[in-house]
Amino acid sequence: QKEVEQDPGPLSVPEGAIVSLNCTYSNSAFQYFMWYRQYSRKGPELLMYTYSSGNKEDGRFTAQVDKSSKYISLFIRDSQPSDSATYLCAMSALYSGSRLTFGEGTQLTVNP
Amino acid sequence: NAGVMQNPRHLVRRRGQEARLRCSPMKGHSHVYWYRQLPEEGLKFMVYLQKENIIDESGMPKERFSAEFPKEGPSILRIQQVVRGDSAAYFCASSPMGEPGGYTFGSGTRLTVV
Repeated sequence: QKEVEQDPGPLSVPEGAIVSLNCTYSNSAFQYFMWYRQYSRKGPELLMYTYSSGNKEDGRFTAQVDKSSKYISLFIRDSQPSDSATYLCAMSALYSGSRLTFGEGTQLTVNP
Repeated sequence: NAGVMQNPRHLVRRRGQEARLRCSPMKGHSHVYWYRQLPEEGLKFMVYLQKENIIDESGMPKERFSAEFPKEGPSILRIQQVVRGDSAAYFCASSPMGEPGGYTFGSGTRLTVV
């Protein structure tokens, strides 16, 4: 079983839709949670970084962490065609230093 | 302020040859990480280095792979006697303090073994 599970999609939505992306994990030691965006042929770019449980909002993006359910989410409001990319969740435990465990990534297309 | 620089962007090697991938971290960053992304898979951690030290190599294959981050110059990921299964995108990231949320990734080197 993978430590981090993420539906690879692909996910296709119309412009302006609310997008929900999710990951589940099995390692209860994970305390740091991140969402990265990766455009084709580019490196991952950090979107959101949260520690432990709770919500964090940044512009059109909201990250949620539910440690009791081992479930994290990224919501994108008013989605734009420029949001079309692969979204990767990543996690880290205190004992693992800064080593990240990534999900497989969800490919998102926002259609104009 | 240049980002994390990786070169070459694309590398083609025949089976049995050596591949050398270079990574220059962002200015002021002394922590370097290498990740590998196989087709249709997420990024997998390989190694974490600071200047002249390997901090965590738990993700490195036991044979043929090595990494270094010398006092001067870029970090190097070296793959000896490459095989087709080594074909992947290799990403380098750097951070100033070693915290998990402080990474900046480069654009990667795409290795193709023919």
